Amino acid sequence: GESVGLHLPTLSVQEGDNSIINCAYSNSASDYFIWYKQESGKGPQFIIDIRSNMDKRQGQRVTVLLNKTVKHLSLQIAATQPGDSAVYFCAEKYNQGGKLIFGQGTELSVKP
Amino acid sequence: DAGVIQSPRHEVTEMGQEVTLRCKPISGHNSLFWYRQTMMRGLELLIYFNNNVPIDDSGMPEDRFSAKMPNASFSTLKIQPSEPRDSAVYFCASSPTQNYGYTFGSGTRLTVV
Repeated sequence: GESVGLHLPTLSVQEGDNSIINCAYSNSASDYFIWYKQESGKGPQFIIDIRSNMDKRQGQRVTVLLNKTVKHLSLQIAATQPGDSAVYFCAEKYNQGGKLIFGQGTELSVKP
Repeated sequence: DAGVIQSPRHEVTEMGQEVTLRCKPISGHNSLFWYRQTMMRGLELLIYFNNNVPIDDSGMPEDRFSAKMPNASFSTLKIQPSEPRDSAVYFCASSPTQNYGYTFGSGTRLTVV
C-alpha cells in the first residue's frame, strides 16, 4: 500500500504573539539539548542550546526551558514573525561523545 | 566561513546505480555526521566520525551503504546499488568537538527511480 508520512504537530500563531513549542525527550541521562529550525529546502539551523545543569537559557527573542523531572524541553519565541515559520526540532545527547538524537519536529506557521 | 558544503544538491539516478554524496566540513571541526531525512522516519543519524575515524555506524541501513573520511576536509557517503527506498534528503553536519551543536549543510536530495 501507499506509505503515509509523518504528520507533524502544527502550531499556528498570529504575527506578534509569543510561541511556545514543546518537546518530550527520551533519556533521563541526556545532558545536552539543542533546538534547531529548518526552513523548506534547507538544512537544520542551530537556534539555542542548554546543558543539563541549567533550567533556563535566553537568546535573542528565544528562551529554552528544561524540566528534567518530567523530561520536557520548550522553546519560547517572543514576538513571532513570519520569518519564524519553519519546522522546529529538539535534539538530545545522552553520553560523552554521543550522538544527537532528533525529535520528530513541530511545524510553526505564523499568520500575518 | 562557507559552512558545511555538500554536493550535489540534487541527484536523480536509476535503481541499481552507484551514488556518491560528498561533504566538506567546516575547517577545524573534528566531528562529522551523516543524517538522512524522510517524511516517514524524520532525521536519522547514519554514521559519525571523530578525527576522521568512524565511531558509530549503527544507523547505516545495510551493507549497500558505506562512508569514508580520508582526511579532515572531506567525506563521502556511497550507496551501491541504490534502491527507490533510498530516496531522501541526506545531510552532512560537523561540530568542533563532540560536546557542541552541529552545523548542517544544505543537504543532497536523492531520488532513485
